[in-house]
Amino acid sequence: DAGITQSPRHKVTETGTPVTLRCHQTENHRYMYWYRQDPGHGLRLIHYSYGVKDTDKGEVSDGYSVSRSKTEDFLLTLESATSSQTSVYFCATQTAWEQFFGPGTRLTVL
Amino acid sequence: GENVEQHPSTLSVQEGDSAVIKCTYSDSASNYFPWYKQELGKGPQLIIDIRSNVGEKKDQRIAVTLNKTAKHFSLHITETQPEDSAVYFCAARPTDKLIFGTGTRLQVFP
Repeated sequence: DAGITQSPRHKVTETGTPVTLRCHQTENHRYMYWYRQDPGHGLRLIHYSYGVKDTDKGEVSDGYSVSRSKTEDFLLTLESATSSQTSVYFCATQTAWEQFFGPGTRLTVL
Repeated sequence: GENVEQHPSTLSVQEGDSAVIKCTYSDSASNYFPWYKQELGKGPQLIIDIRSNVGEKKDQRIAVTLNKTAKHFSLHITETQPEDSAVYFCAARPTDKLIFGTGTRLQVFP
């Protein structure tokens, strides 16, 4: 495993509140990714980063923003959470070829 | 963009039998094809991968085959065991992002 931790592991919040999820890695991997996983949809890419301060959108980026100020940390922010953002969120890092996943954060938006 | 289709969505086998999961991809630029195993409540775990310059790769009871002409690749698990029960995802990478299939739930009955 690539030494990836995610925090928090579980969170319940209310519609309209801001939420930030954190991904921390200890392997100094350049690439980092945020996915969401929903039944019937597999893993869908939200945003990714190819270096400090370098980020790009994935296929489901609406309503999400990211920041990467250090190699080891990649933050995912929901500016105003909606019920459709209830999901399990996974962070991943990538070597030249292989992509490794963190343990996930289960987010419930009421 | 790349599209990955995965079949079947569910697969039930008797312990000791073989299991085969198939994926097709659309983008001929894809050059890397990993397979992930996800157990309940955990993040996806990379179990085997194959690059486009290789037709087959084997690791103990697990093998992956790739047919670039037909744009499909398959995961083969022999001598299945109850601990193989999980959700399996295939993926393809045409650029710096992985595109995932929607997953196969494998159940191995003792």
